[in-house]
Amino acid sequence: AQSVTQLGSHVSVSEGALVLLRCNYSSSVPPYLFWYVQYPNQGLQLLLKYTSAATLVKGINGFEAEFKKSETSFHLTKPSAHMSDAAEYFCAVSEGQGGKLIFGQGTELSVKP
Amino acid sequence: DSGVTQTPKHLITATGQRVTLRCSPRSGDLSVYWYQQSLDQGLQFLIQYYNGEERAKGNILERFSAQQFPDLHSELNLSSLELGDSALYFCASNREGSYNEQFFGPGTRLTVL
Repeated sequence: AQSVTQLGSHVSVSEGALVLLRCNYSSSVPPYLFWYVQYPNQGLQLLLKYTSAATLVKGINGFEAEFKKSETSFHLTKPSAHMSDAAEYFCAVSEGQGGKLIFGQGTELSVKP
Repeated sequence: DSGVTQTPKHLITATGQRVTLRCSPRSGDLSVYWYQQSLDQGLQFLIQYYNGEERAKGNILERFSAQQFPDLHSELNLSSLELGDSALYFCASNREGSYNEQFFGPGTRLTVL
């Protein structure tokens, strides 16, 4: 069965510092992987997706993620945090081109001035 | 703006009541997904419809039901409401061949008193 684990329910960084949000997945087939962001009182917005075309995926707002099959990881990074990055981030996995997304528990990112 | 709309934005009701949540997918999307977001369970998949037909079911209670109409909008019906049903309910949509990238609506916040 598929699953997603996000390490750290809360991450705090200083403005300008590196952002690293960790995600590990479990899947019996090559997965599609996603990172979504949720700002307070809003829906989920897609940051980026992995669909096996390239292991390093670039997304919106300067975020990127690297798919590492050997580590079953899909960590999200951003070189320099901005105050506007404060939000909750969700990693999700899908087994195929249709069907449900399975989400991790989410990581709340705080950015200190 | 994802192009997915949900109404109402907020809903406050009493235990034992029945409510209907409405979702309009993006233009051209045939699949609609319903998810529940709560503090204790996180983001959980409820049910998927594709072009009017139920395609997959997740952790959806028997008190809950859904349908997708010929114009592709979908409704989620929640009955005999309990305090524990208080949550954010999201609708998402996508189309075939999109690597299962799902676009989320802004959600309906249900409060059961």
